[in-house]
Amino acid sequence: EVRLVESGGALVQPGGSLRLSCAASGFTFSDQYMDWVRQAPGKGLEWVARSRKKAKSYSTEYAASVRGRFTISRDESKNLLYLQMNSLKTEDTAVYYCAREMGSWGQGTLVTVSS
Amino acid sequence: QSVLTQPPSVSAAPGQKVTISCSGSSSNIGVNYASWYQQLPGAAPKLLIYDNNKRPSVIPDRFSGSKSGTSATLAITGLQTGDEADYYCGTWDSNLSVWIFGGGTKLTVL
Repeated sequence: EVRLVESGGALVQPGGSLRLSCAASGFTFSDQYMDWVRQAPGKGLEWVARSRKKAKSYSTEYAASVRGRFTISRDESKNLLYLQMNSLKTEDTAVYYCAREMGSWGQGTLVTVSS
Repeated sequence: QSVLTQPPSVSAAPGQKVTISCSGSSSNIGVNYASWYQQLPGAAPKLLIYDNNKRPSVIPDRFSGSKSGTSATLAITGLQTGDEADYYCGTWDSNLSVWIFGGGTKLTVL
């Protein structure tokens, strides 16, 4: 059974940093594309970042709104997906989901950026 | 403003059929597969349709998808009150190298 569990969400001040984690199980982690998607309160879904599979060198893509501030990465040995978020802005406040091949989703973790 | 255009809301009576459209362009739906997601209140999104018209095994056949040119459509038949949710289309945009979502459609079962 595919299982994705996000963690690391917190209240952080503008300009601060945070690292989210997504623990993956039930599939071959290195063979799958992995994404981060977020949803601001009362808003729609917004894709954030992608990590392609190992055969594609774990290459990455980012939404324009986070490029240069966020970094997606993996720890293959631990089946963990990360999202390092720097220079956080109030508009980054959202529930952050990790997704496998844009198919299976985790339950999300809340990030609140506020002073 | 989303790259994929969906109606903000649709409604129909229980037992009826409803369709939700998703309009894109030649760089996204026109050349890539479309997916559809259901998000019940307070829950994470759930995949309903992938590769334009394929259903995960757990999704009932009341849900179906289709694609024509640069548009995709989700159809739901035999509407139930439990189908009340937000529905999103999504696909990869080959020009922008990003995944894009529609703005979402709120389904009300009257």
